[in-house]
Amino acid sequence: DAKTTQPTSMDCAEGRAANLPCNHSTISGNEYVYWYRQIHSQGPQYIIHGLKNNETNEMASLIITEDRKSSTLILPHATLRDTAVYYCIVLNNNDMRFGAGTRLTVKP
Amino acid sequence: SAVISQKPSRDICQRGTSLTIQCQVDSQVTMMFWYRQQPGQSLTLIATANQGSEATYESGFVIDKFPISRPNLTFSTLTVSNLSPEDSSIYLCSVESGRGIVGEQFFGPGTRLTVL
Repeated sequence: DAKTTQPTSMDCAEGRAANLPCNHSTISGNEYVYWYRQIHSQGPQYIIHGLKNNETNEMASLIITEDRKSSTLILPHATLRDTAVYYCIVLNNNDMRFGAGTRLTVKP
Repeated sequence: SAVISQKPSRDICQRGTSLTIQCQVDSQVTMMFWYRQQPGQSLTLIATANQGSEATYESGFVIDKFPISRPNLTFSTLTVSNLSPEDSSIYLCSVESGRGIVGEQFFGPGTRLTVL
């Protein structure tokens, strides 16, 4: 299974874009990149996923490099409620394996 | 989106006892998943539970310690047996979203277990 590497923690100012990087250099051609987040004391929440193309939904944008070895999750206008642990996951056969994630703190 | 509830939300148990955690979904789902989240750690998949078949356990987890039932398409239980302090964790169930997005899961709120 492809392994992901994320920074342990990041800060972001409220209202600014939060850019969360993820390295997945061993990803194979049919593996998707998923992002989840876990707000304190809650279960994880699905954010977005992609294979090759950049994706956008109401929560975030996902930018995947052309070689697919890394990706960036973008929260365009971070709010205090976006403070959470963000997990980048490479999915293989519906096998969801969470890494350590990035703890994002949005500050006023 | 599916609404998932878990009971109990938290419990404190004595060493050597067992705790059964219930997971109820408001819609029928084929696959349900059980995860463990140890203090300050990420989630680890324990097993996948399909209705009508034995649960499939991940490496490091065995049926004797974590028996799972899946009697119907909306309900599952996870029992943590012969408790030790190392079992103190949050246990979460999840289901596939059913929206055709492979890998999209909805998670329950979790059950916080403390073993004394």
